[in-house]
Amino acid sequence: QSALTQPASVSGSPGQSITISCTGTSSDVGSYNLVSWYQQYPGKVPKLMIYEVSKGPSGVSNRFSGSKSGNTASLTISGLQAEDEADYYCCSYAAGSTYVFGTGTKVTVL
Amino acid sequence: QVQLVESGGGVVQPGGSLRLSCAASGFTFRNYGMHWARQAPGKGLEWVAVISYDGSNKFYADSVEGRFTISRDNSKNTLYLQMNSLRPEDTAVYYCAKGTDFSLDSWGQGTLVTVSS
Repeated sequence: QSALTQPASVSGSPGQSITISCTGTSSDVGSYNLVSWYQQYPGKVPKLMIYEVSKGPSGVSNRFSGSKSGNTASLTISGLQAEDEADYYCCSYAAGSTYVFGTGTKVTVL
Repeated sequence: QVQLVESGGGVVQPGGSLRLSCAASGFTFRNYGMHWARQAPGKGLEWVAVISYDGSNKFYADSVEGRFTISRDNSKNTLYLQMNSLRPEDTAVYYCAKGTDFSLDSWGQGTLVTVSS
């Protein structure tokens, strides 16, 4: 149950697109299309942004999209806005019916 | 709307025990699996445990296996986390979360557990 690997930080200018990677193993990301993504502002509660790799919950902007290839999942934020500045975490269902979070990525809007 | 309210956090000495509760409302509690996750101060999220809708299946992170027990009372719409043999590294904000489609789709505000002598 090692944490999934995410870049510590990603930055972009308003209007640009950025992509956050989430690398796991064949025991988690690689075996299941059950990756979710969470947005967390400092001192606030995490919010679900994407589930089952690429599905967006009701009420979440369609500027957020997800994908997966092999052992790596990705979250893309298009049309970057100042309000997107936050921490982002991936999470995968894993062998043994457990779950594992990613190390987290701080998104900065320049 | 979904509301999850955690309670039971506090300061406890290493080796001690604590029981967290999570009161649920705004949805049919007995129909959903429930999770506990935690976040140490200034650190990332860590998944802790999950329990099935009826309490028959429970799974844990390796870091808490054998020390923590997740349970639920569907008649009281309440989720629990019994934490024994606590260690300083268990210090964190503990969140309960509703499980849907293999994700944690609604989260409580969290309760702080501090393990220190």
